[in-house]
Parts: sequence; C-alpha cells; structure tokens
Amino acid sequence: DVKVTQSSRYLVKRTGEKVFLECVQDMDHENMFWYRQDPGLGLRLIYFSYDVKMKEKGDIPEGYSVSREKKERFSLILESASTNQTSMYLCATRKRGTGLETQYFGPGTRLLVL
Amino acid sequence: KQEVTQIPAALSVPEGENLVLNCSFTDSAIYNLQWFRQDPGKGLTSLLLIQSSQREQTSGRLNASLDKSSGRSTLYIAASQPGDSATYLCAVFGNEKLTFGTGTRLTIIP
Repeated sequence: DVKVTQSSRYLVKRTGEKVFLECVQDMDHENMFWYRQDPGLGLRLIYFSYDVKMKEKGDIPEGYSVSREKKERFSLILESASTNQTSMYLCATRKRGTGLETQYFGPGTRLLVL
Repeated sequence: KQEVTQIPAALSVPEGENLVLNCSFTDSAIYNLQWFRQDPGKGLTSLLLIQSSQREQTSGRLNASLDKSSGRSTLYIAASQPGDSATYLCAVFGNEKLTFGTGTRLTIIP
C-alpha cells in the first residue's frame, strides 16, 4: 500500500524561526512535491524534485527552500518563518512516467506562525 | 498559465440524490485530469484519473467525464450517501505538474 508520511500533523512556531517540514515515501517514486493550501486559493505548488539532489521552483517558492538528499525524503525549509506562511502544507509523490500516473498525498502539516 | 475553476464552491444535497460537480480549465494541452477527495484536515485521496485520450472513467458510484476541447470535466456521484461529504478537487496535469481547482465542498444531508 502506498505510504506518504509527514513529520508533524500540527506545528506552532514563532516569527523568525527556521522551520523544517519532512516528507518520507516508501514507493520508490522519483517525483516529489510540496504544496501549501489556503482557503479560497486552493493548492499552490512551492517546489518539486525529479530526483535526488534535483529541485525545481514551483509557483510560489519565495521564502522557502528544499532539500532532497535521499530518494525517499523531501524536506521543505522555511528559512525565517513569517505569519503569512501560516498554512496547511501537503507533500505528494508520483512515479516518473508518461503522465498517466496518480499523485499520492501525505496527511498534511498544519503550521501556525505566531 | 493554466487556470482551473470549480463552481459551485459549496453544494448541499439530500441523501440518495444524484449530483454533478463541475471543473473547467483554460489550457487544453493536458496529459490527464484527476479528481481528488479531501476530508477536513486531511490529505488528498485520488478518486479517478482520466487520460487526455479518454472521454470518461468510472469507479463504483463515481463517473468522471472529460471534454478536452471545451476545457471541461464533470464528476457524477450516483445515489449520494452521508459518507460522500467532503471537498472534491479536480486537477489537470501538464508540464510535469498538477494545477488544482479550489474545490467544491459537498454536504450530503441525511
């Protein structure tokens, strides 16, 4: 069975802190993604990765960075958290292929920045 | 830039009714379209994936259609049940990434 796990379900941080969100998958998928989800705005792509040590900017990369040192793990880093980064963060994975593959999501991390 | 729209944003129907959720997209150059379900505070679960060459896909009480030329998809739910209450999102796949609509929040009234 497909499994995508995220390190925390809920997280509370203070403005200016460095925040790490981790995503781990057990499906040997090449592609991994980080989204944020906000009411009225839907899911927006922050960063994605095609392979180990590779990363691509999504639609809203400002204020974020990512790390992919191992195939199964994709980390999202908030260098200096701000209140406008309070959101639901969702990790997803997909097998590299012809575009016919399903994307699988983790349970999400709800981040509150005070 | 691809834009995906779902109308209405919220829908309430009595249990047992059939219903249709709508999705439209601006760029017809897509590889596939997916419908997802999201329960409150949870991640997304894939329901159906329609390839760009297909017209429809069925799974149980769910049927999704795709009209690529007009940029539209519908998700038909037959004989709705209270357990169908959730937010339904459509997403189109192109340029190696999914673009999501903002979803329709569905409530089935017992």
